[in-house]
Order: sequence, then structure tokens, then C-alpha cells
Amino acid sequence: EAGVTQFPSHSVIEKGQTVTLRCDPISGHDNLYWYRRVMGKEIKFLLHFVKESKQDESGMPNNRFLAERTGGTYSTLKVQPAELEDSGVYFCASSPKGEKLFFGSGTQLSVL
Amino acid sequence: GQQLNQSPQSMFIQEGEDVSMNCTSSSIFNTWLWYKQDPGEGPVLLIALYKAGELTSNGRLTAQFGITRKDSFLNISASIPSDVGIYFCAGRNYGGSQGNLIFGKGTKLSVKP
Repeated sequence: EAGVTQFPSHSVIEKGQTVTLRCDPISGHDNLYWYRRVMGKEIKFLLHFVKESKQDESGMPNNRFLAERTGGTYSTLKVQPAELEDSGVYFCASSPKGEKLFFGSGTQLSVL
Repeated sequence: GQQLNQSPQSMFIQEGEDVSMNCTSSSIFNTWLWYKQDPGEGPVLLIALYKAGELTSNGRLTAQFGITRKDSFLNISASIPSDVGIYFCAGRNYGGSQGNLIFGKGTKLSVKP
């Protein structure tokens, strides 16, 4: 069974540009989460989807971040325009019922 | 916001030694989780704790949910080179949505053969 997959694994962009991260959860998992780890700091919750609906987006930093999960399958997280402080590793996780989370390998985002 | 204090930040140990790390919080949690992250990978769940006082083992790993519900520790016995990685504690509190985990900053473990 395929795990949570994220694309790209690395992205280097300039300040002001737009970047879109993609997450494919484990098939059949209704719950999908986005987390972010800024270097040396804790992994922080961004938001939680149940199927295509946003269950909790209290961790989204600001309105430059937009997450979607059309059709309740894969999800995208767009940052527009990117700022220097957006650099970090963005993790996606999925779960069938919300208890045990399965994480992807993450997208390392560098904003220069 | 809520924070978890995880210590130590890093550890350099000799193969075969035991390891202990812990997390504390000013708030009560109803679930404590311990994850390990290998380089280039995402965190993988090692142990989940659901009741105050619970002591759970997974092979050479043992974790406990503190009685006060504000702390947890993870012990690794007889460390081996593949134990290298970053260990994160995470808590979920009452009222938090499922999956809204609060993570510690991680403990980076290095094991010298």
C-alpha cells in the first residue's frame, strides 16, 4: 500500500513568487493534515481536512496560504506571494479516523 | 499558544547506552505521542499513550504518560546505530480537534558505534 506522498520534495523560489505543494494521502483516508516545521523549531499544525471540508484551519499563518482538497482526494497548499519566513519543511499527514497520523516525507521549501 | 518543552535538544551517546528524553507542558493533555524522524523522511509514530500513568513498551522503547497529564518521557535501552534520528513528543489536549497535535522541538540523537 502506498504511503502519503508529497511533491515536490524540494522547492527553491524567490521572495514574491508563488509555490504550490501537493499531497496525496493514503487511499481511503478521509482526514488530511498539513503541518510545517521551521528549522530548529517545533512541527506546527496548519490545517485539517475531513474529505473536502476544512475542519480546522486555525494554524494557517495568514491569507497568503491557501489549501484546497477538491473532491476529497489529494490536497494542495499554495503560498502566494512567498516570504522569507515561509521557508521550512511542510508535512502532510493522513488518517482514517484521526487517531493515528501517517506522515509524508515533506516538502523542503526555501524562499530566497 | 500551548508549547511543549522537550529536552534534551541533542544527545551524543555510545552504542549500547540507554537514552532518556522527556517533554513537559503547562497544560493538560489527554494523549501523548512519540515520533521518530529519519533524515529525509516524515515522522513515524513510535508509541501512543492515552491514560495518565500509562507505561507502554515497544521493543527497546518505553514511554510513560505522566500522572499530572503534563509530562511524558521516552526511554531507549541498549541503543544501536539505527536509533539515530530526531525524536518528537506530541500532545493532543481536551477539546483539540483530532489530529491537531502540538509538537515539541525534537531531540536529535546521535549514536557512536
